Amino acid sequence: DTAVSQTPKYLVTQMGNDKSIKCEQNLGHDTMYWYKQDSKKFLKIMFSYNNKELIINETVPNRFSPKSPDKAHLNLHINSLELGDSAVYFCASRRTGNNEQFFGPGTRLTVL
Amino acid sequence: ILNVEQSPQSLHVQEGDSTNFTCSFPSSNFYALHWYRWETAKSPEALFVMTLNGDEKKKGRISATLNTKEGYSYLYIKGSQPEDSATYLCASVTGNFNKFYFGSGTKLNVKP
Repeated sequence: DTAVSQTPKYLVTQMGNDKSIKCEQNLGHDTMYWYKQDSKKFLKIMFSYNNKELIINETVPNRFSPKSPDKAHLNLHINSLELGDSAVYFCASRRTGNNEQFFGPGTRLTVL
Repeated sequence: ILNVEQSPQSLHVQEGDSTNFTCSFPSSNFYALHWYRWETAKSPEALFVMTLNGDEKKKGRISATLNTKEGYSYLYIKGSQPEDSATYLCASVTGNFNKFYFGSGTKLNVKP
């Protein structure tokens, strides 16, 4: 009965590969987010979808492409992985309004 | 990009001490201020969502205040316990598509 789930939890891959991280929420929320936790432990927003529509797209390389097949899912596909992509990626969801975010457990991506 | 700053970066207190941290944020285009508690190896969990100048929220021994005019929020913990040890994150939410800008957190360590 996990509220926000991410798969995989750990991902180790070679430079140049293409990989995807999946996120699902069963809370009935209408907005989902992807964050990257950088080397200084900051959570930096990457993308946000509201009702399957992209509403926030921060300055992220276009190798990163989010996809929202429905309101409960927001997947992140990364092409041509680079060493600098190594980080923990967090998915989150919330209901629009003055409501808190619910975070997934994070996916630790290591690019070798 | 919004500059959200938290201080101190880390804090070591004895069990039973009361403590407080600061979150500073730009007051323009303010929508809401969130506080999250982030334990090691877990996901951030929401503590408070505050929107109005002068707001005060309380949950058990933890409370928070908000000053939107000068752009700061304080988080207080009364009688710290070892289980309060965590990183406390604040996030400023702007009116533009509800973007979340997180601070780097205050890492609290409560010694028994």
